Amino acid sequence: TQLLEQSPQFLSIQEGENLTVYCNSSSVFSSLQWYRQEPGEGPVLLVTVVTGGEVKKLKRLTFQFGDARKDSSLHITAAQPGDTGLYLCAGEGPSNTGKLIFGQGTTLQVKP
Amino acid sequence: GAGVSQSPSNKVTEKGKDVELRCDPISGHTALYWYRQSLGQGLEFLIYFQGNSAPDKSGLPSDRFSAERTGGSVSTLTIQRTQQEDSAVYLCASSSSWAANYGYTFGSGTRLTVV
Repeated sequence: TQLLEQSPQFLSIQEGENLTVYCNSSSVFSSLQWYRQEPGEGPVLLVTVVTGGEVKKLKRLTFQFGDARKDSSLHITAAQPGDTGLYLCAGEGPSNTGKLIFGQGTTLQVKP
Repeated sequence: GAGVSQSPSNKVTEKGKDVELRCDPISGHTALYWYRQSLGQGLEFLIYFQGNSAPDKSGLPSDRFSAERTGGSVSTLTIQRTQQEDSAVYLCASSSSWAANYGYTFGSGTRLTVV
């Protein structure tokens, strides 16, 4: 069974600080996605990484896919209160059905 | 439609009753997924549709859960004889391709509370 472990589970920081969220597995994924979810809403796709070692930037967010495609990280620079939410990583499972396996999420609170 | 629409947004039901949850995906999206999310947690896969067929039902927790999709569009998730452990947010997502790297578009979910 493929599992994705996210850490930390909870993070509370002050506006302007930097942070990194990790997503780890013992399994290889063909692609990995990061989503952000706000209360009462469904997750919204932030980025998809496909190639081992790939780095993608989205404004203040930097996403990296591990060389072995077993892990990923999300780094936020100068966090803002608007970054508050639940961050979820999700890997494509082995069945080629587009089925995603989700980590348990990281709840981020950025205080002004 | 412009996005994935789910109804109802909230449902409170008595233990033992049946419930139906509806998902209206983005027009033209062939792949449709149902997930379940407990409070503040990650998402648990339930079932996947490609067109009207369900190649992967492996996540359905028990035979009280069933789902169908008609016309390659609307999907209904039915839970019979609801139990308190069924309380969760049920999320539907659609995608233009079965390839996961196309990304999902999620609806806002149905919050189910079994009392």
